[in-house]
Amino acid sequence: ETGVTQSPTHLIKTRGQQVTLRCSSQSGHNTVSWYQQALGQGPQFIFQYYREEENGRGNFPPRFSGLQFPNYSSELDVNALELDDSALYLCASSVRGIEKLFFGSGTQLSVL
Amino acid sequence: LAKTTQPISMDSYEGQEVNITCSHNNIATNDYITWYQQFPSQGPRFIIQGYKTKVTNEVASLFIPADRKSSTLSLPRVSLSDTAVYYCLVGSTKDNYGQNFVFGPGTRLSVLP
Repeated sequence: ETGVTQSPTHLIKTRGQQVTLRCSSQSGHNTVSWYQQALGQGPQFIFQYYREEENGRGNFPPRFSGLQFPNYSSELDVNALELDDSALYLCASSVRGIEKLFFGSGTQLSVL
Repeated sequence: LAKTTQPISMDSYEGQEVNITCSHNNIATNDYITWYQQFPSQGPRFIIQGYKTKVTNEVASLFIPADRKSSTLSLPRVSLSDTAVYYCLVGSTKDNYGQNFVFGPGTRLSVLP
């Protein structure tokens, strides 16, 4: 059990809507990263937060945004949903300086 | 960021040793090599990590040659439950930029009875 929890587990939205996904980091972890995983592919890095600031971003448009809270939990917000946003969204927590990611089970987002 | 190359898929039988090799020709001095395992509809799970030479834990061994341009994950005596996708990652914490690990497509291991 990694201790990283994500909610909701499944979500269905329609194109153009907005969605917020949530992640609770493992105790003692100060860094959170978000990944998008399309079916049959490896996880793609979206961004990372450390001390409540974005600290690295992958090749994703600005409509993907996030927050990290003082308790190190995090949110991923996606605006103007597109069909291609349908994927498993993974949150990973870690300790800055230690190269080991602990993943949650993900949120399966379906955009219709 | 160092890019990795792994076989797309591998088949094995129960009880055999499985070796999955990953190429990372442009690995940087500060980069670590980490392997993750992922089952369907779950997040990846850490298996093992190393910097150089050999690392062993209770589930796997990781062999890294002196030039560090490749690494081999060794799974001893696999069982059906080892059927999963295995990812090799290369990365490090960079000053002011944080961690940014790049996942490739991974290796889909199928263990047959």
